[in-house]
Amino acid sequence: NAGVTQTPKFRVLKTGQSMTLLCAQDMNHEYMYWYRQDPGMGLRLIHYSVGEGTTAKGEVPDGYNVSRLKKQNFLLGLESAAPSQTSVYFCASSYSSRNEQFFGPGTRLTVL
Amino acid sequence: GEDVEQSLFLSVREGDSSVINCTYTDSSSTYLYWYKQEPGAGLQLLTYIFSNMDMKQDQRLTVLLNKKDKHLSLRIADTQTGDSAIYFCAEPNSGYALNFGKGTSLLVTP
Repeated sequence: NAGVTQTPKFRVLKTGQSMTLLCAQDMNHEYMYWYRQDPGMGLRLIHYSVGEGTTAKGEVPDGYNVSRLKKQNFLLGLESAAPSQTSVYFCASSYSSRNEQFFGPGTRLTVL
Repeated sequence: GEDVEQSLFLSVREGDSSVINCTYTDSSSTYLYWYKQEPGAGLQLLTYIFSNMDMKQDQRLTVLLNKKDKHLSLRIADTQTGDSAIYFCAEPNSGYALNFGKGTSLLVTP
């Protein structure tokens, strides 16, 4: 099993550009999450999903959209990137809300 | 709202014990977690403790839970250079996710 994978690993965008980060898991998990990690801020939840076709806002959802069209995939979109979105983005999945979350390796995004 | 609190840095010598402390927010949390993040990688679950336990030991790791003070600690015995990483304390939040502390950077020196 690959676990949780993320693509791309690195990306540089110009302000105003758009992009989509892809997260995939092969563990048949219902719950999937997108976090961002910034120095001194820890992990902050952007959006999450409790099942295929469902999404919900987390702590810092502004400027991001998500979709969960297939159970194994959770997409994070930036419609118009801003320098404040420079961060490392982590995807995670879990069987339930009370179970261990498995994390992907991260995507390092720089917005110039 | 309240945050999960952790000290940001800890430096220890190889072979010594490390103790990382955390204060969580919800006294009704059923599970509390410790995650480890090595440089350039995602987080991995290190250990967890049920709220009905006071202590859990797993090889070099000892987790202590004080529910009255909402205090959680992680002790690493015989700390090695490979233990250098960021350690995150986490508790379930009122929704469907986890609240993470800001992480404690552990530096182990020879």
